[in-house]
Amino acid sequence: EAGVTQSPTHLIKTRGQQATLRCSPISGHTSVYWYQQALGLGLQFLLWYDEGEERNRGNFPPRFSGRQFPNYSSELNVNALELEDSALYLCASSWTPEQFFGPGTRLTVL
Amino acid sequence: QKEVEQNSGPLSVPEGAIASLNCTYSDRGSQSFFWYRQYSGKSPELIMFIYSNGDKEDGRFTAQLNKASQYVSLLIRDSQPSDSATYLCAPSSGSARQLTFGSGTQLTVLP
Repeated sequence: EAGVTQSPTHLIKTRGQQATLRCSPISGHTSVYWYQQALGLGLQFLLWYDEGEERNRGNFPPRFSGRQFPNYSSELNVNALELEDSALYLCASSWTPEQFFGPGTRLTVL
Repeated sequence: QKEVEQNSGPLSVPEGAIASLNCTYSDRGSQSFFWYRQYSGKSPELIMFIYSNGDKEDGRFTAQLNKASQYVSLLIRDSQPSDSATYLCAPSSGSARQLTFGSGTQLTVLP
């Protein structure tokens, strides 16, 4: 069974630009979650999508947004990038409460 | 007070010993508890989950939950050098499906 996949692996942007990160869940999983793992801050919950709807949102500004497509894949958009947005962005998927993580996208903002 | 507290370590144990990892949480609404292992530079890997008070065993791993004390632990028996990683505790509050992660305990198993 294929796991959660994310693209790209690495992404380099400059301040003020927009970044788009993509995630494909495990087959059969309808929920997708996004987390940010910044250096020294640990893993923080960003967003939860289920059946195409945003179900829950963490304590992040509105410039962090996303969507889930009919095939349950998801994308995370970060607008007006700031230096502190540099982090590993992890996507997880689930059918039950157990969440399984993808390999992540390393975003670097210069 | 942090929502999820773990000893940051590093915790060092000799190969073959029992490693004991502890976690306390502040949200009494937490219903599910997950342990993830994260190797350096890699994403978290789910190794155990527990929903009910008491013990749950899976191979060399045992999770223990005490909701009254808001405490969850992970025991690793017969520790191996390949167990050297950061272990993350993550309670989940029911329908919110939001995992709140602790900062993790770094475990080193010495050959």
